[in-house]
Amino acid sequence: GESVGLHLPTLSVQEGDNSIINCAYSNSASDYFIWYKQESGKGPQFIIDIRSNMDKRQGQRVTVLLNKTVKHLSLQIAATQPGDSAVYFCAETAAGNKLTFGGGTRVLVKP
Amino acid sequence: GAGVSQSPSNKVTEKGKDVELRCDPISGHTALYWYRQSLGQGLEFLIYFQGNSAPDKSGLPSDRFSAERTGGSVSTLTIQRTQQEDSAVYLCASSARTAVAQYFGPGTRLTVL
Repeated sequence: GESVGLHLPTLSVQEGDNSIINCAYSNSASDYFIWYKQESGKGPQFIIDIRSNMDKRQGQRVTVLLNKTVKHLSLQIAATQPGDSAVYFCAETAAGNKLTFGGGTRVLVKP
Repeated sequence: GAGVSQSPSNKVTEKGKDVELRCDPISGHTALYWYRQSLGQGLEFLIYFQGNSAPDKSGLPSDRFSAERTGGSVSTLTIQRTQQEDSAVYLCASSARTAVAQYFGPGTRLTVL
């Protein structure tokens, strides 16, 4: 199983700086990937998704990069704000239904 | 529009009791999913409904767990004879169809004493 809670890797970032959160996946057949943000006491919130026929997708202040060769996914947050403090999960699916989640990364934004 | 809603938000029960957790998906979403989030185990898939197809139950941890989806909308997850290891946050998600974004509800925090 994957660890969450107190054992989450943590990324501390200064407000205004850019954040990069990384995720490795293991299933080479995965063809759809999603990043979620989860704040304490809430359900995961959709941020951005990408399909395997793309290597980059941009949203508002966020960019997802996909490297299928090394099975690596990253989420870049530009000009990180205090409201970005949360746990971030990557998720993958190979059959378009059930998601397999990564262990999560906690982002702490320092004022 | 309204998002995915779940009830109750918190449930405390005694070991051995049965519990029912409810999920109201986003209107028009044909796919509905249940996941469980517990300390030390991360987010794990439980069951998936798509339209009128037979549900994918491959993630259910034991036969004490079951779920149904009535009328293609509301879903109920039932845990019989609850055990302490069932304590977790149970999350429901829905999507317009498969292979598109899943939107999660706030979850039900289940505590088994």
